[in-house]
Amino acid sequence: KQEVTQIPAALSVPEGENLVLNCSFTDSAIYNLQWFRQDPGKGLTSLLLIQSSQREQTSGRLNASLDKSSGRSTLYIAASQPGDSATYLCAVMEYGNKLVFGAGTILRVKS
Amino acid sequence: GAVVSQHPSRVICKSGTSVKIECRSLDFQATTMFWYRQFPKQSLMLMATSNEGSKATYEQGVEKDKFLINHASLTLSTLTVTSAHPEDSSFYICSARGRSAGLYEQYFGPGTRLTVT
Repeated sequence: KQEVTQIPAALSVPEGENLVLNCSFTDSAIYNLQWFRQDPGKGLTSLLLIQSSQREQTSGRLNASLDKSSGRSTLYIAASQPGDSATYLCAVMEYGNKLVFGAGTILRVKS
Repeated sequence: GAVVSQHPSRVICKSGTSVKIECRSLDFQATTMFWYRQFPKQSLMLMATSNEGSKATYEQGVEKDKFLINHASLTLSTLTVTSAHPEDSSFYICSARGRSAGLYEQYFGPGTRLTVT
């Protein structure tokens, strides 16, 4: 059974810091990996999607990497801003279209 | 981009009543829709997968007679929580997958907060 783990569970940083969120998964037979952002009481916003054949994806200040063989992904946020404060979820898509989510990292960027 | 809506965004009901939540894909045809449940401070757990015109496939531990899912068209799926109890209070999120070749990306709705009193 696929299990997705995110570390750390919570993170508080001052504005401007570069930070790394970690995600690991137990079964490397995935179709893709996706990072989402969730604001309190809201739905999900897709940030980056990495296909299993890709190594990384970038969007603005965000960079996500994927090492499928070791079952790891990282989300790098450059020059963090208070508006980045949210819960960040990592999810892997298994064959059959099933998304398995991690528990998330709660990020707080202090101004 | 692909937009998925949910209605209502928030609902409060009394124990024993039934509640219907709608999930719509607004600008694409959703061949498959997914229903997730999220308890406070926990991650999303897949409840069921539905393909248009066929019965939903439920995840282990999810009661299909309690959580009725209907996917009657390519733009609408409904989740009905029957005889709701306080332990059913949760955040319910749907997602939809369209005929987007190669990506298999799911587009998420904004969620519905259900509170059963």
